[in-house]
Amino acid sequence: GESVGLHLPTLSVQEGDNSIINCAYSNSASDYFIWYKQESGKGPQFIIDIRSNMDKRQGQRVTVLLNKTVKHLSLQIAATQPGDSAVYFCAENERSGSRLTFGEGTQLTVNP
Amino acid sequence: GAVVSQHPSWVICKSGTSVKIECRSLDFQATTMFWYRQFPKQSLMLMATSNEGSKATYEQGVEKDKFLINHASLTLSTLTVTSAHPEDSSFYICSARDGNFAYEQYFGPGTRLTVT
Repeated sequence: GESVGLHLPTLSVQEGDNSIINCAYSNSASDYFIWYKQESGKGPQFIIDIRSNMDKRQGQRVTVLLNKTVKHLSLQIAATQPGDSAVYFCAENERSGSRLTFGEGTQLTVNP
Repeated sequence: GAVVSQHPSWVICKSGTSVKIECRSLDFQATTMFWYRQFPKQSLMLMATSNEGSKATYEQGVEKDKFLINHASLTLSTLTVTSAHPEDSSFYICSARDGNFAYEQYFGPGTRLTVT
């Protein structure tokens, strides 16, 4: 069942700074990882993904790093903007066609 | 492409009544759809997985008789919350996958359910 009273980890940055959001995963068999952005009252929005045969992938202003040795995933956002303020979730997938498992999320706040 | 819609976007119902939420894939055929529930300040929790034309697979702890899922076509899945109680108030999100062996899931905008 769900826990009551949980608080999301938070990260507060100044506009223009770079942001790094971290995620630890537990399933060593996971082979596909995704970062989602969720704004208040909306569904998750795909940001970037990476497969387990890679350790880095870059998109527009975002970079995902994967360290399979320590089962760690990070999302780097360059030149963070106020519109980047949201909750960011990592998710992992063990194989194609299987379910996604979401991490706990991080609340990113960008101060102007 | 790959747009998923939900209807309604928000709903208020009285305790003891039932409410139906629709999830539609607008520009692709969704062989698999997923239903998630999200409480404030928490992550998405998978409730069930539904494949077109077959019974849904529910996660442990989710009451199948309370949360009825129907995936009657390749573009529509419905979640019916039966005999709703205030503790069922939550944000319900669906997602859809195009193909049985795909990785990507496309998420709907969510439905806010408030039970009074």
